[in-house]
Amino acid sequence: KAGVTQTPRYLIKTRGQQVTLSCSPISGHRSVSWYQQTPGQGLQFLFEYFSETQRNKGNFPGRFSGRQFSNSRSEMNVSTLELGDSALYLCASSLEGRVAFFGQGTRLTVV
Amino acid sequence: GIQVEQSPPDLILQEGANSTLRCNFSDSVNNLQWFHQNPWGQLINLFYIPSGTKQNGRLSATTVATERYSLLYISSSQTTDSGVYFCAVETGNQFYFGTGTSLTVIP
Repeated sequence: KAGVTQTPRYLIKTRGQQVTLSCSPISGHRSVSWYQQTPGQGLQFLFEYFSETQRNKGNFPGRFSGRQFSNSRSEMNVSTLELGDSALYLCASSLEGRVAFFGQGTRLTVV
Repeated sequence: GIQVEQSPPDLILQEGANSTLRCNFSDSVNNLQWFHQNPWGQLINLFYIPSGTKQNGRLSATTVATERYSLLYISSSQTTDSGVYFCAVETGNQFYFGTGTSLTVIP
């Protein structure tokens, strides 16, 4: 069974641009969540989707948004990029209330 | 939100030594997982252990949910065990992560 797939793996963007990251969950998993990892703040929760509905959102500005499609694939978007948005973005998928599996992450660099 | 504390923050071991990593959390949780982050950033599942004890080869874990802590044991450590170990607890459809234990195993 294929694991969680995140694309792209690496990304370099300029301040002010926007970016879209993609996450394909494990087949059958309907819950997808996103996390940001930075050296200063560690791993922080962004949002969680289940069956195309956002069920929970972390403490991030409105520039961070996401969505989930009917096939459970998810995208997150960051608009008006800032230098501080440089981070590793990790996506996880799970069956409801069961073990979560993480993807390899997208490393975003904002210059 | 829930507070998750991991100790020690850093650990240096000689190859073959044993170690215990600890995770304390501040409230009841639905799920607890231990991860090993590989050099490329991926979080590799080690254990799904909301309670009880599990073993997988040289690794084992114990969670005492009523006392809000979990322990990860690494026996006969190898250089490939090096990396950062995270404890994460889940409630309300989100994980709260500790700050990790950075393990270095030297030959």
